[in-house]
Amino acid sequence: QSALTQPASMSGSPGQSITISCTGPTSDVGNYNVVSWYQKHPGKAPKLILYDDSERPSGVSDRFSGSKSGNTAFLTISGLQAEDEADYYCCSYRGPTTYVFASGTTVTVL
Amino acid sequence: EVHLVQSGAEVKKAGESLKISCKASGYTFLSDWIGWVRQMPGKGLEWMGIISPGDSDVRYSLSFQGHVTISADKSINTAYLQWSSLRPSDTGIYYCVTLGVTVVDAFDFWGQGTTVTVS
Repeated sequence: QSALTQPASMSGSPGQSITISCTGPTSDVGNYNVVSWYQKHPGKAPKLILYDDSERPSGVSDRFSGSKSGNTAFLTISGLQAEDEADYYCCSYRGPTTYVFASGTTVTVL
Repeated sequence: EVHLVQSGAEVKKAGESLKISCKASGYTFLSDWIGWVRQMPGKGLEWMGIISPGDSDVRYSLSFQGHVTISADKSINTAYLQWSSLRPSDTGIYYCVTLGVTVVDAFDFWGQGTTVTVS
């Protein structure tokens, strides 16, 4: 079982913003600045959209932003678009080169 | 440009063995960790483990340790995931991933996935 918790689903209308939470033990999320976020569309491989809690890889839209407070990390999608409809997963470092994914959040654009 | 090309879909029976592959290109294979992530049907992503091809150091998730083996052949820039005795619960899509090729501490490149079906 994942040690990280995300809401199972979230939804929003086009143009709105939504924020997905990722809560884990202090020993994981709260202890390291190494939370990453992934977007997964059905039938496609996941894509990295944020790393180091809040950094965006080259080419990722600035509508995606990240933050962290204590042992909870957050992914905010601003200006929601139809193409943002996907599953989103956070991932935390757990120790020497070991990681854990959360169970994922399905985002629906209304 | 980094590419991870995985071997094709497999259909196996419980108890059989299997080895799937992931050929890497576009970066220095010896320098970065490469690992595996599972997605069971209708479920989320699960981190399985990772290998450093340069020194063959391997780290496993406790959920998978003892059931799978991760290895790499640095002469052909290829990582492997193998099972000696498959179970129906091994059915899923397996993705190979690189760790930190272009960014720190994140899985920045993903293979296309290998579907494994065990009956």
